[in-house]
Amino acid sequence: GESVGLHLPTLSVQEGDNSIINCAYSNSASDYFIWYKQESGKGPQFIIDIRSNMDKRQGQRVTVLLNKTVKHLSLQIAATQPGDSAVYFCAEYNLGGSYIPTFGRGTSLIVHP
Amino acid sequence: GAGVSQTPSNKVTEKGKYVELRCDPISGHTALYWYRQSLGQGPEFLIYFQGTGAADDSGLPNDRFFAVRPEGSVSTLKIQRTERGDSAVYLCASSLGDTLTDTQYFGPGTRLTVL
Repeated sequence: GESVGLHLPTLSVQEGDNSIINCAYSNSASDYFIWYKQESGKGPQFIIDIRSNMDKRQGQRVTVLLNKTVKHLSLQIAATQPGDSAVYFCAEYNLGGSYIPTFGRGTSLIVHP
Repeated sequence: GAGVSQTPSNKVTEKGKYVELRCDPISGHTALYWYRQSLGQGPEFLIYFQGTGAADDSGLPNDRFFAVRPEGSVSTLKIQRTERGDSAVYLCASSLGDTLTDTQYFGPGTRLTVL
């Protein structure tokens, strides 16, 4: 079946480095994507979103890139900090069909001081 | 202001028992979602409320699962005849509900363990 997945289950970086977390999606009808951050013992927290009519969106220290040709999404975190350590999920929506998100497995980001 | 709260934070029960999990959404949020999250996995949609009514319950795995939101605020997820496979973290989220892409705010979850 169609699903959202992540290439790297764990990513370890040094404080100050830039981090890139990747996500592959297979539903070509998906037209809205969100990145969530989930810290231990907490629920997911919205980071940034992007619609399919865009290929890049920037926030504070974060950038999401969308490549619809290869159905790939990435989250870039600049100057990664220990507080960025968490599990990151991408979620896809097909707003024309259902507004219920499908989440991928997640990538654990570990930032070493 | 207060975020989404869920009680209890942990629930341990025996196979075959009945459990209720409670969600208090952010005040004024008309949309409420329940998800289930297994270890190492992303949240899996269960049910969505718009106001008092279940707008989409297609994610409920079987008829042992039921959820209510009688006054359009607090919601209760009910699981009958629990099975070990029901063990997971149950997450609740709420949003303003004005548009389909309103940001969902998640609670900390209830960790359910079925022995």
